[in-house]
Amino acid sequence: GNSVTQMEGPVTLSEEAFLTINCTYTATGYPSLFWYVQYPGEGLQLLLKATKADDKGSNKGFEATYRKETTSFHLEKGSVQVSDSAVYFCAPRSYGGSQGNLIFGKGTKLSVKP
Amino acid sequence: NAGVTQTPKFQVLKTGQSMTLQCAQDMNHEYMSWYRQDPGMGLRLIHYSVGAGITDQGEVPNGYNVSRSTTEDFPLRLLSAAPSQTSVYFCASSYSGSLPYEQYFGPGTRLTVT
Repeated sequence: GNSVTQMEGPVTLSEEAFLTINCTYTATGYPSLFWYVQYPGEGLQLLLKATKADDKGSNKGFEATYRKETTSFHLEKGSVQVSDSAVYFCAPRSYGGSQGNLIFGKGTKLSVKP
Repeated sequence: NAGVTQTPKFQVLKTGQSMTLQCAQDMNHEYMSWYRQDPGMGLRLIHYSVGAGITDQGEVPNGYNVSRSTTEDFPLRLLSAAPSQTSVYFCASSYSGSLPYEQYFGPGTRLTVT
């Protein structure tokens, strides 16, 4: 089955700092890759996605590139804001049956200080 | 669209009690799933369904039952609550098909078992 390894948190940054959250995965077939974000007290929402190799997903200043050769999907942002404080989850999703389940990493908690 | 709705938002149970967590979606999604979220554990899949009348187990199914009689609803039943089931529960839904689609999450149910 699919699995994900995310960098351990928590990550604490100052406002306007550069962010990288590493994510590597193992998956059957040719998965789509997702980053979800969970703000305090809320459910998960999709941040960005990529469906094929070398695709770059982007949203709200965040970016991640689908690297098939290294099975990675690292999340980056050039200048974080206090409002980016949240937990970030990387997740691959393959197609069909149990492989179609979204499997999450443990999440990386980001705290941004003003 | 209301999206994915969950009720109740909060629940306290005594050990041995049973209850049903409700989940509904109005997006005509074939795929629905239940996760539990525990500190330091990320999200773990309990049960999932790829369509009405079809359910299957995820990673941590023990102590939980599900059924899918309609496309819209996917209730999660706790048969005899235990303190180990204290957690936040999330329901999610998505389209099925040849491309792994993003999942949409409900706001969660926070369950405490004493």
